[in-house]
Amino acid sequence: GQQLNQSPQSMFIQEGEDVSMNCTSSSIFNTWLWYKQEPGEGPVLLIALYKAGELTSNGRLTAQFGITRKDSFLNISASIPSDVGIYFCAGPNDYKLSFGAGTTVTVRA
Amino acid sequence: DTGVSQNPRHKITKRGQNVTFRCDPISEHNRLYWYRQTLGQGPEFLTYFQNEAQLEKSRLLSDRFSAERPKGSFSTLEIQRTEQGDSAMYLCASSTLFSNQPQHFGDGTRLSIL
Repeated sequence: GQQLNQSPQSMFIQEGEDVSMNCTSSSIFNTWLWYKQEPGEGPVLLIALYKAGELTSNGRLTAQFGITRKDSFLNISASIPSDVGIYFCAGPNDYKLSFGAGTTVTVRA
Repeated sequence: DTGVSQNPRHKITKRGQNVTFRCDPISEHNRLYWYRQTLGQGPEFLTYFQNEAQLEKSRLLSDRFSAERPKGSFSTLEIQRTEQGDSAMYLCASSTLFSNQPQHFGDGTRLSIL
């Protein structure tokens, strides 16, 4: 199946910092999705990207669909304590999603 | 706005017992998916319904697993003769029929096998 690699695996960030994470794939995707999961909850959709090169924002979050269609980036600006969680990238293979292993974000107050 | 609802949220059972989970999707969503998530990993696809038809099952879904969506609305996932390795979070998601519409997830059922 398709392999999605996320980096970094985890990060400690200072409140107010900007952070970046990325996701690469062995295969081309036509859609990239970014989800956030908090303890004991299901993944919540943050941003959906549908076109190579597309840059989309959702509040302090910005995500980009890589030109090669094999990667995507997520940036969080001016991080706050509630940004804590695990961020997953996902790509659809027809109707089923393949997920990366996630980037765990912990914010130092 | 009613999202995807899953019950129970937690299930603890002894090895060898049968368990059943329920998922109520977003009401206008025709597609329903089950995923399994273990610690430190992203969700992995198990099976998928379009209305009441189960269209694909993953290799992860052994013979002990069965899923139904009898009237094309809610779905159940049953695990028979549970094993230690079945301990995981079982997530349900739903989406519309449009291929570019993303899946929305419930909060999952966490299964612990003693």
